Amino acid sequence: DGGITQSPKYLFRKEGQNVTLSCEQNLNHDAMYWYRQDPGQGLRLIYYSQIVNDFQKGDIAEGYSVSREKKESFPLTVTSAQKNPTAFYLCASKVRGAYEQYFGPGTRLTVT
Amino acid sequence: AQSVTQLDSHVSVSEGTPVLLRCNYSSSYSPSLFWYVQHPNKGLQLLLKYTSAATLVKGINGFEAEFKKSETSFHLTKPSAHMSDAAEYFCVVSEESGGGADGLTFGKGTHLIIQP
Repeated sequence: DGGITQSPKYLFRKEGQNVTLSCEQNLNHDAMYWYRQDPGQGLRLIYYSQIVNDFQKGDIAEGYSVSREKKESFPLTVTSAQKNPTAFYLCASKVRGAYEQYFGPGTRLTVT
Repeated sequence: AQSVTQLDSHVSVSEGTPVLLRCNYSSSYSPSLFWYVQHPNKGLQLLLKYTSAATLVKGINGFEAEFKKSETSFHLTKPSAHMSDAAEYFCVVSEESGGGADGLTFGKGTHLIIQP
């Protein structure tokens, strides 16, 4: 069953702790993306990666970090430097040469 | 730079009546345009896409959209609303080629409410 998986679905952390969100795809897509969604603001790009071992900052990268050691995996770490980490996080991927992205089910992170 | 404006933050229709979700875009080049749907606490699902082929694009679940360059619009329509259509809808533009850099630009979303 092909697709994009994100885990966990819900995540709770205390302020000051780093937390890593998982994103895995078995679609053999080259590019992967992380977005943050806040109510009424649409989606904002955090980081993206077009090939293994390479990634670029998006519009709101401060306080986040990523790695791309394998084609199928693109984990996102939300660090303690991120001032407002509570949000819904979406991972997406696409084939090189295509326009559209395909999204995972999302992880809702709550930091208190 | 590209941008997207969804003209209505909320749209409410009765079940069985037509749906119209409005989207205007700004782009320096020939854009690719998409509509995505998001049900509560779920990821985004691609409804349809325009990539410079036919201007009237048909998507899943009976939705369609028409690309109008002169009006810089890409409105989403459906002839008859169903209760299961209640969701958030996002209009999205991409100026980049498939190998481009920074992904897609999203509208802020339109919340579609279906009245029984």
